[in-house]
Amino acid sequence: EVQLVESGGGVVRPGGSLRLSCSASGFTFDDYGMSWVRQPPGKRLEWVSGINWNGGSTGYADSVKGRFTISRDNAKNSLYLQMNSLRAEDTALYHCAKNRGIAAAGYFDYWGQGTLVTVSS
Amino acid sequence: EIVMTQSPATLSVSPGERATLSCRASQSVSSNLAWYQQKPGQAPGLLIYGASTRATGIPARFSGSGSGTEFTLTISSLQSEDFAVYYCQQYNNWPPLTFGGGTKVEIK
Repeated sequence: EVQLVESGGGVVRPGGSLRLSCSASGFTFDDYGMSWVRQPPGKRLEWVSGINWNGGSTGYADSVKGRFTISRDNAKNSLYLQMNSLRAEDTALYHCAKNRGIAAAGYFDYWGQGTLVTVSS
Repeated sequence: EIVMTQSPATLSVSPGERATLSCRASQSVSSNLAWYQQKPGQAPGLLIYGASTRATGIPARFSGSGSGTEFTLTISSLQSEDFAVYYCQQYNNWPPLTFGGGTKVEIK
């Protein structure tokens, strides 16, 4: 059974940093691209970032480019999102998602329950 | 950026009736479109990919159609467990990948 479990969310002040983690199991992690998708309270889903199977290709939404960094550790079956210079508009539930193929982009066949990030002074 | 627009925002349907949800792309996405279902307090789940291919385990009452800029998700006979929010997502052009604003299917 595929499982994606996010952690690392919390309350942070504007300008602060957080590192989200996603622990994956139930599939061969390094055969698939992975992504982060967020959902602000009551709003639509927003793709944040994606990474291909070996970390050699990444992509970011314009709203987070230069502030967020996606990475993965295939030996640990883990996905990460380093978030710096956080803003109030980054407040959201952050989901880890498994891409259908090896690429950094595509659609998502499994999702985690999410970890909540709140940016507030 | 490709903008995805879903309509209607809310659809009131009686159990057993047919529901038709629309998704429009601001430019062609070919057939690179997915549909997801999200129930309250849950993560989204994949329903359809490639505009018309049902994901593993998805009942036949769910069907997708369309290509280019116009897409439709049809639920042929609504069951109680189908009342949820439905999102479309294009994966033809990136970055960014983009989602529609969602259609909430509620009980009439």
